[in-house]
Amino acid sequence: QVTLRESGPALVKPTQTLTLTCTFSGFSLSTSGMCVSWIRQPPGKALEWLARIDWDDDKYYSTSLKTRLTISKDTSKNQVVLTMTNMDPVDTATYYCARIQIVGATRGSFDYWGQGTLVTVSS
Amino acid sequence: QSALTQPRSVSGSPGQSVTISCTGTSSDVGGYNYVSWYQQHPGKAPKLMIYDVSKRPSGVPDRFSGSKSGNTASLTISGLQAEDEADYYCCSYAGSHVVFGGGTKLTVL
Repeated sequence: QVTLRESGPALVKPTQTLTLTCTFSGFSLSTSGMCVSWIRQPPGKALEWLARIDWDDDKYYSTSLKTRLTISKDTSKNQVVLTMTNMDPVDTATYYCARIQIVGATRGSFDYWGQGTLVTVSS
Repeated sequence: QSALTQPRSVSGSPGQSVTISCTGTSSDVGGYNYVSWYQQHPGKAPKLMIYDVSKRPSGVPDRFSGSKSGNTASLTISGLQAEDEADYYCCSYAGSHVVFGGGTKLTVL
């Protein structure tokens, strides 16, 4: 079955760089049409899409955050990594990774999600 | 991209129907048929309930249905049950970018 799991630090200081890893199983990011996105949710607030990486290594970023984000993948390890620079307290949120396919039955939707990891930005 | 507009809250009694709207623009909701809806219970990850505007993934009850007219998509839940109480988010996939709605809290009275 498909699973995703986020990992990374629970606490980062302002101005530091956050690195999160999404480790997945049950699918391959080398399969045509397969993609993984990062999405975050500040406490009590709405979901916000951050970035996406595709099977062919195409990458897409939120317009408002693109200067701070980098997404990459290691297909052999079934991992996707997100880095976010210059962290600020307003970046405190639960960060989710999710699978999205751009071909096939549930194309254009996030059909599997990780459980999320809470990242707090505080000095 | 601005967030899609959803009502902050809706409510209904068990057995009733409720509809949650999601308004965007011609650049997102109105321009693509890749509208999806997610249910989120407190402390849990979102769950896909509707994709491609009106299709239900396997395992989602047929009480959940979706539609779209112009720049507004809608999620209707009929025969409300207690376990439907949750936050609901719409989402528009437009190729190179994705935008979510602000979320709607559904209360089952």
